[in-house]
Amino acid sequence: DTAVSQTPKYLVTQMGNDKSIKCEQNLGHDTMYWYKQDSKKFLKIMFSYNNKELIINETVPNRFSPKSPDKAHLNLHINSLELGDSAVYFCASSPSTIRTDTQYFGPGTRLTVL
Amino acid sequence: DAKTTQPTSMDCAEGRAANLPCNHSTISGNEYVYWYRQIHSQGPQYIIHGLKNNETNEMASLIITEDRKSSTLILPHATLRDTAVYYCIVSAGNKLTFGGGTRVLVKP
Repeated sequence: DTAVSQTPKYLVTQMGNDKSIKCEQNLGHDTMYWYKQDSKKFLKIMFSYNNKELIINETVPNRFSPKSPDKAHLNLHINSLELGDSAVYFCASSPSTIRTDTQYFGPGTRLTVL
Repeated sequence: DAKTTQPTSMDCAEGRAANLPCNHSTISGNEYVYWYRQIHSQGPQYIIHGLKNNETNEMASLIITEDRKSSTLILPHATLRDTAVYYCIVSAGNKLTFGGGTRVLVKP
């Protein structure tokens, strides 16, 4: 019944590895997002997709590549992981890109790069 | 997007109203005020939003000053489950930036 789900919940990996985080929403929303929460708990948007099209792309290294196979899924692939990538990554969705639409967040994926 | 300033932390007694202030003195005319909260180890949860009128829903009330430079989130009857970090966000679009927030501890 989970509205926005992410896998895995925890991810521990070595520097230089490539990893993916998956996100799925069953709310029928058109818009999905990836946010990053750093160690100071500041949460910032990374990407946003609307109907599988990229609409927000913040200043994020090219090593991060989102992929949206369909409206219900937005995966995040990270190449050549670095220590500074350690953070909690949250996926979210909203009905559309209208600014007053509520964003629904997933439970987060805690990524630790050793 | 305009920046917001919130107290770092506050305590509240269970059953009492919790009033959470937020300053956003540089807010522009097309920016909304949003409130989200994050309970420990969970994703953020939407609470309420407003443009210039006061708003109320089943979770909370939002009072926005006439000049829109500040706002107050009111939790009418705080419960222990309201213990969380509360974020006040100002944005003209759907790109939300969460600052430090206010850590609210509801005590029995």
